[in-house]
Amino acid sequence: SLELTQPPSVSVSPGQTTNITCSGNILPKQFAFWFQQRPGQAPVLVIYKDIERPSGIPGRFSGSTSGTVVTLTITGVQAEDEADYYCQSADYSGVSVIFGGGTKLTVL
Amino acid sequence: EVQLVESGGARVQPGGSLRLSCKVSGFTFSDYWMFWVRQVPGKGLEWVSNINIDGTIIRYADSVKGRFTISRDNAKNTVFLEMNGLRNDDTAVYYCARAFTLYHGMDVWGRGTTVTVSS
Repeated sequence: SLELTQPPSVSVSPGQTTNITCSGNILPKQFAFWFQQRPGQAPVLVIYKDIERPSGIPGRFSGSTSGTVVTLTITGVQAEDEADYYCQSADYSGVSVIFGGGTKLTVL
Repeated sequence: EVQLVESGGARVQPGGSLRLSCKVSGFTFSDYWMFWVRQVPGKGLEWVSNINIDGTIIRYADSVKGRFTISRDNAKNTVFLEMNGLRNDDTAVYYCARAFTLYHGMDVWGRGTTVTVSS
């Protein structure tokens, strides 16, 4: 079955840059999406179509892709960025959805 | 204001049934794909099902196939999730979300409704 693999946790100091990776064989063929989820809240879309940023999402969030790995980069991390981050893609049909296991970002 | 409001969550015994609803407002419902995603407290997101704008394309996760049914009523701005044969591992917060197309991503989510399956 198709899988997306993320590191369970990442730590970063305020003001620094962090990269959260997501790997999967489907990623060269289907777009990736990234969601931020703060405790007790619903997920928020922060990146779509690999690299696009929805309106209202701060410019410090960016996405990139290289082969079977997509990366969410947060430049100049702020305390409010502490959250769980999930990558998401689709199966070969493009219709069924796949989530990565999530990465807990801790701001030190 | 764009809103998605889930309802119908409850405590139910194993083998029981529930019908979740997600009523939307603030946008043209019939223009959007709709999704159900669930999350066990403390765990990750799990896609459950999705439906296209007119209900002609529907997909389910293997974990719910044959037990859950997604549907929508564009006249009532509501998407439903009929859940039968509920198991303990269906216990989760169930979110609905919308996407303009599959390439735009799930850009608005509801706050979720809690389903607890327990004897």
